[in-house]
Amino acid sequence: QVQLQESGPGLVRPSETLSLNCAVSGGSISSNNWWSWFRQPPGKGLEWIGEMYHSGTTNYNPSLKSRVTMSVDKSKNQFSLKLKSVTDADTAVYYCARPFGGAAFDIWGQGTMVTVSA
Amino acid sequence: QSVLTQAPSASGTPGQRVTISCSGTSSNIGRYTVNWYQQLPGTAPKLLISSNNQRPSGVPDRFSGSKSGASASLAISGLQSEDEADYYCAAWDDTLNGPVFGGGTKLTVL
Repeated sequence: QVQLQESGPGLVRPSETLSLNCAVSGGSISSNNWWSWFRQPPGKGLEWIGEMYHSGTTNYNPSLKSRVTMSVDKSKNQFSLKLKSVTDADTAVYYCARPFGGAAFDIWGQGTMVTVSA
Repeated sequence: QSVLTQAPSASGTPGQRVTISCSGTSSNIGRYTVNWYQQLPGTAPKLLISSNNQRPSGVPDRFSGSKSGASASLAISGLQSEDEADYYCAAWDDTLNGPVFGGGTKLTVL
C-alpha cells in the first residue's frame, strides 16, 4: 500500500522560498508515471500546482510556473516542491498526490500547513 | 474563482437522497471524465468517484456519479451523518493542461 508523507517548514517569510518534500513509502517512486502537488488555502478549494514524471519531466500550472520547481530524488524515494518569492497568498495546506489517470488522484498525503508571515 | 461550477452548499436529512451538480465547458468536463472527492474536516481529499461513475474499492454504493455533456452529478442516497463533508468535482482541462476543480459543495446533514 503506497503512502505519501509531506514534510517541510510550517512557516516561511515573505519573499523567501517554500520547500517541501513528499516521501513515498510502500512502493517505488519510479513505478508510477506522474506525481503531483496541490494546495488549499484556508477555507478555500483545491488548486493544482503541478506534476512531475519520475524521470524529471515537469508540467506546471501556468499561474505558478514562473515560481515553481519540482524535482525527484530516487535515492530517497521522494519528490520535492520549491515555490519562490512567496506572499500571503501562498499560505495554504500543501498536498502531494498520486494520479492513476486524468484528474483521478487515488492516494494523497495528509497535507502540511504552510503559513507565509514575517 | 474555480473553473468548474458547484453550488456552495447542500443539505438533507438522514435517509434522504441528495444530488450535487458540477458544470464545466467543452475543454474539461465536455471532453474528459469527471471525478469526485470527499473531504472531511481537517483531512485530505478522498477519491469518491472516478471516470464519471466508478467507485474505488471501499466506497459505499450509496454514492453514484453521472455525466451528461459538460455537466456532472454526484448522488448520495440513504444520507448518513458521516456524509457531512465538502465535495469537489474535478476533470482534466485542455486550457490548463492539468486538473481543474469545482469550488466545492459543503453538505450538511440536518
